[in-house]
Amino acid sequence: GENVEQHPSTLSVQEGDSAVIKCTYSDSASNYFPWYKQELGKGPQLIIDIRSNVGEKKDQRIAVTLNKTAKHFSLHITETQPEDSAVYFCAASIRSGYALNFGKGTSLLVTP
Amino acid sequence: DAGVIQSPRHEVTEMGQEVTLRCKPISGHDYLFWYRQTMMRGLELLIYFNNNVPIDDSGMPEDRFSAKMPNASFSTLKIQPSEPRDSAVYFCASSTGGGYTFGSGTRLTVV
Repeated sequence: GENVEQHPSTLSVQEGDSAVIKCTYSDSASNYFPWYKQELGKGPQLIIDIRSNVGEKKDQRIAVTLNKTAKHFSLHITETQPEDSAVYFCAASIRSGYALNFGKGTSLLVTP
Repeated sequence: DAGVIQSPRHEVTEMGQEVTLRCKPISGHDYLFWYRQTMMRGLELLIYFNNNVPIDDSGMPEDRFSAKMPNASFSTLKIQPSEPRDSAVYFCASSTGGGYTFGSGTRLTVV
């Protein structure tokens, strides 16, 4: 089955800096790659997703890039704010709606 | 929309007891997923349904776990008998084929 690796497991940045989280996947058939943010005591919340026919997608301070050849995708957060502190998960699926396989998560801490 | 609703939010039970977790998906969503989250293993898929039919239950740990979806607006995950290693946060999520919407989870503690 699909194996999703996520790095780093923890990331600490200063407010205003950028943060980058990287994921790799094993199944070349995967074509849907969402990112989730999980705050303490809550369920994961979808923040951005990308499909395999797109190389990059941006939504305000958040962007995701996909390299299908190398089978890796990344989340970029610019101008980080303390409220960005949370655990971020990447995931992959052979198509949207099918079961997602999640990475182990990255705990992001943004210090003022 | 109230989102995906799970109950109870917290459950503490003794080893050997039966536990039932409940989920109400978002109206109109035709996929429903049950995940378990632990520090060691992260988010693990247990089972998922499409149009109330179980599609893949290969993630269900053992026969002590069972899940049902009797209609489009309700699903249960049952553990019988429960064991301390079942302690985790259990999430339900629903989807129309795009990104998931997760519930707030049920934190299960088996003592």
